[in-house]
Amino acid sequence: DQQVKQNSPSLSVQEGRISILNCDYTNSMFDYFLWYKKYPAEGPTFLISISSIKDKNEDGRFTVFLNKSAKHLSLHIVPSQPGDSAVYFCAATGTDKLIFGTGTRLQVFP
Amino acid sequence: SQTIHQWPATLVQPVGSPLSLECTVEGTSNPNLYWYRQAAGRGLQLLFYSVGIGQISSEVPQNLSASRPQDRQFILSSKKLLLSDSGFYLCAWSVGRHTEAFFGQGTRLTVV
Repeated sequence: DQQVKQNSPSLSVQEGRISILNCDYTNSMFDYFLWYKKYPAEGPTFLISISSIKDKNEDGRFTVFLNKSAKHLSLHIVPSQPGDSAVYFCAATGTDKLIFGTGTRLQVFP
Repeated sequence: SQTIHQWPATLVQPVGSPLSLECTVEGTSNPNLYWYRQAAGRGLQLLFYSVGIGQISSEVPQNLSASRPQDRQFILSSKKLLLSDSGFYLCAWSVGRHTEAFFGQGTRLTVV
């Protein structure tokens, strides 16, 4: 039972353009959502989060949008840079458990 | 500042051998602790989490177990490894709900 889903396994974006990564969840008890970035053979690093009482949170080039009615969140990266190339995971929690999605591999090309 | 230590970085073990992976956190008290596994080409699967000493919640039935003998120590164990136990194991901590979790560098386990 995959409660957090990232339906796009990969995304390729040109440098300077916008990257949009999507995430869907099924558990209506989730009330806090996070995005992580992961390089191979390393632990994930936290990027940005959003509480269910908000619908948008922005931090520099990263913006997370939350649509509770659709149980959908997205991460926007503007402008995309080659250093953003990595695997991005969304995660959700409503208790002490932190549940991750399957990840989206982002490649930013020149 | 808080740090998390996870070792070893890589491990090659034969099928049927035991396993012990250790994770320790410094600079915080009573953290939530997590063990995740990333199998090849897959996402991060939550294996165990703990909200306090001796309190372990298992998410996936399997031949792995976890223990928390001290507040900031989390151990992942197996009595007999299977080939399917191969993967990248990650330990993480957080200070509670609605906060981010911080990850260790991971252990690459290959069962041969």
